[in-house]
Amino acid sequence: KNEVEQSPQNLTAQEGEFITINCSYSVGISALHWLQQHPGGGIVSLFMLSSGKKKHGRLIATINIQEKHSSLHITASHPRDSAVYICAVENTGNQFYFGTGTSLTVIP
Amino acid sequence: EAGVTQFPSHSVIEKGQTVTLRCDPISGHDNLYWYRRVMGKEIKFLLHFVKESKQDESGMPNNRFLAERTGGTYSTLKVQPAELEDSGVYFCASSQDVPYEQFFGPGTRLTVL
Repeated sequence: KNEVEQSPQNLTAQEGEFITINCSYSVGISALHWLQQHPGGGIVSLFMLSSGKKKHGRLIATINIQEKHSSLHITASHPRDSAVYICAVENTGNQFYFGTGTSLTVIP
Repeated sequence: EAGVTQFPSHSVIEKGQTVTLRCDPISGHDNLYWYRRVMGKEIKFLLHFVKESKQDESGMPNNRFLAERTGGTYSTLKVQPAELEDSGVYFCASSQDVPYEQFFGPGTRLTVL
């Protein structure tokens, strides 16, 4: 059983749609990271969360510590948002657990 | 099938010393990436190898960091001399030609005293 589960695995959306990617985890954490990977490239950190909610532009990340769940939302999606989005959690011992990623395709 | 492995799992060194981290990717994976999470900050990309060539090393913080991937198999990341701000977790990941799915190693926890 994976410590971090993401859903959906694959997601196709029309440009302009509101998108939600979910992440559930089973370990106690000190932080949760949302990462973005474009084809061929390295991974970029989008958010690091330990509670509440963060917003960067059209991206919003929320976390519910009690429910061990986080969501990444993209408002007014655009084809350039097409990428793989990865959830990673970090425990207090600096151990990391990575989700398998959600592959998002936004169609014009 | 063995996953990505990293050695050592923990390293504690003094400022000014040298440390070499090793990453063994999944067999057959041409793409190898290094990342790090320094204390209190987000995960950052360091560099990307395709086989033995450095495809992108834009994330390397300074010339105290040297990454190699001789023969296109395992990779090493050397920090010389180490500074206090280098403390953190160093990750390696690998992927096949279709680089969409990266498989992460467990990380090396580096502490510089």
